[in-house]
Amino acid sequence: QLQLQESGPGLVKPSETLSLTCTVSGGSISSGIYNWGWIRQPPGKGLEWIGSIHFTGTTYYNPSLKSRVTISLHTSANSFSLTLSSVTAVSLTAADTAVYYCATHHPGRGFHYWGQGILVTVSS
Amino acid sequence: QSALTQPPSASGSPGQSVTISCTGTSSDVGGYNYVSWYQQHPGEAPKLMIYEVTKRPSGVPDRFSGSKSGNTASLTVSGLQAEDEADYYCSSYAGSNNLAVFGGGTKLTVL
Repeated sequence: QLQLQESGPGLVKPSETLSLTCTVSGGSISSGIYNWGWIRQPPGKGLEWIGSIHFTGTTYYNPSLKSRVTISLHTSANSFSLTLSSVTAVSLTAADTAVYYCATHHPGRGFHYWGQGILVTVSS
Repeated sequence: QSALTQPPSASGSPGQSVTISCTGTSSDVGGYNYVSWYQQHPGEAPKLMIYEVTKRPSGVPDRFSGSKSGNTASLTVSGLQAEDEADYYCSSYAGSNNLAVFGGGTKLTVL
């Protein structure tokens, strides 16, 4: 049974970069069976797809977040990561406060296996 | 504002059926048979209930079914049970530049 676990800081300042890691167990991220995705959910609100990465390293990002997001594979650690940055004069805001989930992603079949989620709060 | 439109709430009594709609456009729901549905209980991660409009992952009861007509997809829960009370989200593929768009979610209450 595939299991995913998010890790990273729970509090990030607006001027900083949000960085999270998803560690996969029960299967290899290089298997080619899945893409690997990130989804977030602000408190009390709905789900938003952030982006996904294919096992080859090809990335796909939500157009509304594309300029601020980087997703990378770390095959030796069987993990993948999310970086959400403040770009030029635009800093992270309270709108980036959310529970961040990692999940397996097949564009046609949806998000099957999910991590438990990690709450990240953006605040000075 | 979410890309897909869902009613904010739905309800039904135990044993009854309830249908939740998910309306998009010809660029997402209407353009592909790639609609999925998720169940989320408070404090938990979402759970995939339906994929490719009508298919159920292993372990999902056959009380859950999906359908689509034009730009609107639907999730039907038959024989409502107390444990079905949860938030439900739809999602659709929206092309190679936007792999997934979500609905705003529907809170299902079992009366």
